[in-house]
Amino acid sequence: GAVVSQHPSRVICKSGTSVKIECRSLDFQATTMFWYRQFPKQSLMLMATSNEGSKATYEQGVEKDKFLINHASLTLSTLTVTSAHPEDSSFYICSAEPLSGTSGRSSYEQYFGPGTRLTVT
Amino acid sequence: QKEVEQDPGPLSVPEGAIVSLNCTYSNSAFQYFMWYRQYSRKGPELLMYTYSSGNKEDGRFTAQVDKSSKYISLFIRDSQPSDSATYLCAMSEGGKLIFGQGTELSVKP
Repeated sequence: GAVVSQHPSRVICKSGTSVKIECRSLDFQATTMFWYRQFPKQSLMLMATSNEGSKATYEQGVEKDKFLINHASLTLSTLTVTSAHPEDSSFYICSAEPLSGTSGRSSYEQYFGPGTRLTVT
Repeated sequence: QKEVEQDPGPLSVPEGAIVSLNCTYSNSAFQYFMWYRQYSRKGPELLMYTYSSGNKEDGRFTAQVDKSSKYISLFIRDSQPSDSATYLCAMSEGGKLIFGQGTELSVKP
């Protein structure tokens, strides 16, 4: 159990275009999903926290107009990188926090997707 | 000073060795402590999860939390080449995870 998928796994786009990344919890419901980015040999940096049916909360320094997050259902969150530039190239990873009581797991556990490698040329 | 400090390694050990991975932290409000394993180009996988101080064992893995010293450890017994990965500690504050930098482990056959 506790499987999170991401799509696509890898994407190459041209500078100035927008890219959408999907994050799905496959076997549990998640009221909260998180979006991280990770640079090579570095740790995960939280970008934003996404709650189903409400606006995302962005971390300091993350441009909310550039990284659009939508959490339309208890199993799906999307991250859209708008007007992408080469400096946005990174590994983007989502995680989902199980809805407490539905899976029996603590609400502080997060389960991660396999990541999406974005390359902007 | 970072909230969570973790030696990035790399750490190289022979197969069968006991591996000790550690993190220190500065925020005494942390209550939940996790260890994740991340293979190259993959998302992190939750290994161990501990609430407050104490030990937790799961197969070859043992997690220890010493809140008085603000120090957590992960021990891997009888290490295998398949354990070669980056190990990230993480701590929870209000539902947000704060990660250490990750320690790159290589287990040589």
